[in-house]
Amino acid sequence: NAGVTQTPKFRVLKTGQSMTLLCAQDMNHEYMYWYRQDPGMGLRLIHYSVGEGTTAKGEVPDGYNVSRLKKQNFLLGLESAAPSQTSVYFCASSYFGLAKGNEQFFGPGTRLTVL
Amino acid sequence: RKEVEQDPGPFNVPEGATVAFNCTYSNSASQSFFWYRQDCRKEPKLLMSVYSSGNEDGRFTAQLNRASQYISLLIRDSKLSDSATYLCVVPEGAGSYQLTFGKGTKLSVIP
Repeated sequence: NAGVTQTPKFRVLKTGQSMTLLCAQDMNHEYMYWYRQDPGMGLRLIHYSVGEGTTAKGEVPDGYNVSRLKKQNFLLGLESAAPSQTSVYFCASSYFGLAKGNEQFFGPGTRLTVL
Repeated sequence: RKEVEQDPGPFNVPEGATVAFNCTYSNSASQSFFWYRQDCRKEPKLLMSVYSSGNEDGRFTAQLNRASQYISLLIRDSKLSDSATYLCVVPEGAGSYQLTFGKGTKLSVIP
């Protein structure tokens, strides 16, 4: 099992450019999440999905869009990048079911710099 | 937004020492709690889950005080490999899959 993988690992964008971050999981998890982590801020939820074809806003959704066309993939899009979106982005997934608890499994992260 | 507050740190301790981290949370509806470990420039990974008054796993003990809305993590006989940032994590509500992360407490174990 690869677990949760993220593509790319690093990226530098210029202000106004667009890009898509890809997250993939092979654990058959229903729930997937996108977080950003900034110094002194902790992890903040951007968007999440409770199943294939569904998405919902988290704490800081502005400037981002997401899609979950396949259960194993969760895409995060930046339509017009801004310097404020410079951050480390983590994808996570979790199993739906109380018996499994709420453990979230994280990908290795994508370091994005917007100039 | 539900709040999760942690000791600011950093904690610099010698090998073999015992160290404790504290965490307070504001969401009284939360039923389970978690400590995640995050190494420098790596992703968070689950360290311990706490569903009742406490949980012990080897050198690590997590305790929960629901009345005071307080969680602690105790590390005994600290190892160099314990150096990391420890994140206190609380679900948004009972059975919720959305988690609120504390900002973390950095631990450095010194030879």
